[in-house]
Amino acid sequence: DGGITQSPKYLFRKEGQNVTLSCEQNLNHDAMYWYRQDPGQGLRLIYYSQIVNDFQKGDIAEGYSVSREKKESFPLTVTSAQKNPTAFYLCASSPYLGQDEAFFGQGTRLTVV
Amino acid sequence: GENVEQHPSTLSVQEGDSAVIKCTYSDSASNYFPWYKQELGKGPQLIIDIRSNVGEKKDQRIAVTLNKTAKHFSLHITETQPEDSAVYFCAGLTGTYKYIFGTGTRLKVLA
Repeated sequence: DGGITQSPKYLFRKEGQNVTLSCEQNLNHDAMYWYRQDPGQGLRLIYYSQIVNDFQKGDIAEGYSVSREKKESFPLTVTSAQKNPTAFYLCASSPYLGQDEAFFGQGTRLTVV
Repeated sequence: GENVEQHPSTLSVQEGDSAVIKCTYSDSASNYFPWYKQELGKGPQLIIDIRSNVGEKKDQRIAVTLNKTAKHFSLHITETQPEDSAVYFCAGLTGTYKYIFGTGTRLKVLA
């Protein structure tokens, strides 16, 4: 089955630690996205990537970093500089940047303890 | 800036009744408008979408209408069922190739 896989489903982080969220897709999509979801605020764009070795900041990139070394993978690192990292993180992909339907993964819930 | 507003934030209907969720967008260059359904603890799933050259689209019990002049689009669910209970998000694909999402509507279908 084709799709987007995010792991882990739940993640706990101590304050001051960096943590990396995994996102893998086997849809052969060029574009990938990371969103943050907080209650009552919808989905906000953190970073997006149009193609391998290219990525751009979204609306709330501060405190986050990404890489796109392979077409299938777009990991997100939540750094210690992110002041309020507890949230639900969603990865998505689409065939090309801004083309039609974006497919979402099942999300990772990050909690800072 | 680019923005999508969604109303209402919560909606309760009796089973069998219709539900309507409305969104407005600011970017006149937006040309694609998907609707997603999100169940608790899961990622959003596309349920229907519409392009800017179409005014209405239907798929069984769900339909979407688009008014480009007024920059608003709506989701209509008829004959609602308990399994329709979820959070629904509208989105617009802007001229800068970003998906901008509304803040979501929590739909409760009461049996």
